[in-house]
Formats: sequence, structure tokens, C-alpha cells
Amino acid sequence: QQQVKQSPQSLIVQKGGISIINCAYENTAFDYFPWYQQFPGKGPALLIAIRPDVSEKKEGRFTISFNKSAKQFSLHIMDSQPGDSATYFCAAMGNAGNNRKLIWGLGTSLAVNP
Amino acid sequence: EPEVTQTPSHQVTQMGQEVILRCVPISNHLYFYWYRQILGQKVEFLVSFYNNEISEKSEIFDDQFSVERPDGSNFTLKIRSTKLEDSAMYFCASSTSGSLSEQYFGPGTRLTVT
Repeated sequence: QQQVKQSPQSLIVQKGGISIINCAYENTAFDYFPWYQQFPGKGPALLIAIRPDVSEKKEGRFTISFNKSAKQFSLHIMDSQPGDSATYFCAAMGNAGNNRKLIWGLGTSLAVNP
Repeated sequence: EPEVTQTPSHQVTQMGQEVILRCVPISNHLYFYWYRQILGQKVEFLVSFYNNEISEKSEIFDDQFSVERPDGSNFTLKIRSTKLEDSAMYFCASSTSGSLSEQYFGPGTRLTVT
């Protein structure tokens, strides 16, 4: 119940294309869903996050789509650029009991070809 | 922009030795976390700390681990008797208000146990 399943494991996209990464969770107590971007040798950096009261959140080229009934959320990167090449992690967190910690997906290695 | 800092960036130690990993969280943050990432794997929660005590810990955080906030700025993770399987990147994170706010990560300390 504490798992967050992320796919695909790796993704190659042409410059200007759309990158889509999907995550699914089981624990209905989760109420905070961030996406982190990690470059080699660096710590994860918060990219965008959503709470279940909305179905979509957009910040620049990055959009989270959230489907509460399906317990799924996804990251869309529009107009993907070579500088977006990184590992992306989805995560989930609740606000009570033993849910008050980030549970991470396995990560998606994104490569954007110029 | 304020950031979480960690020292050292890389620590090499022999099996059985004690190591202390240091973190300076963002100054107005109240919640502190340690995560680890074994090479090529997902980020795993270790422990959260608030008001000078542990608020959550994972099954990974056994008796060989301890955390401390020795002064008003530092947050440390001590591993008492390191094992080969403790080799990983260790990330410190901080947030303003626990599960209701974003966690900001440091650049990590790469621990290599030989």
C-alpha cells in the first residue's frame, strides 16, 4: 500500500516533443504528489506538485494531470528540450500517522535528443 | 535563494567505522529529513525530525543510525558501525511545515564503505 509505481523506466524524446511519465499509487491517505527532477551528482529538486483537490496543475512547460478515482498522476513536459534530460521521480505523501513521509517512485531517465 | 547544504560531498570509510554526515537546513525550516539513494535505485525515506525529536523513521533506520540537531543550524546523521550495504547517496531535506509543505533537498553526500 505504500508503493508508488512509476513508468516508463527510461524515455527518449526528440526535441520539441512531449514527454509523459506516469505514476500510480494505492494508499488513499496520500494527499500530496510532487515531482522531482534530478541531474547527475545533484540532489532531487522539486519541479511541480499537486494536491487531490484539483485534476491538473500547469507551470510553464510542465503539467501534472491527476486522476483521483484511478489513483494515477502523470507529468507532461511540453516542447521537451535537451536541458530537460534528467531523472524524474514521482512521490506521494500523506499528512497523518505513518504516511507523513515521501514515498518515491523508481524514477524515469529522460533523454531529449537535439 | 536559500538552500540546503551538506558536507562532505564524498566520504569513504572502512566497514565498521562510524561516520557523521552533516547538513545545514534552510534557516526558517522546522522539519528535517534524511533520505538515501543506493546507486541506480529509488530514493528511500530514513527519518524525519521535528522539535528536537524523531517524528517518523523507516525500517531502514535501525539502531546503527542516529540523528541530532547539535545547535541551531546543523542536522547530523550518524552511522555507528558502517556496513558495505550502507554505501549510497544520503540526502538531507528540510521543509517549513511538515506534510503540508515542499521538501527542499541538499546536494547529497556520497558514502562509500569499503
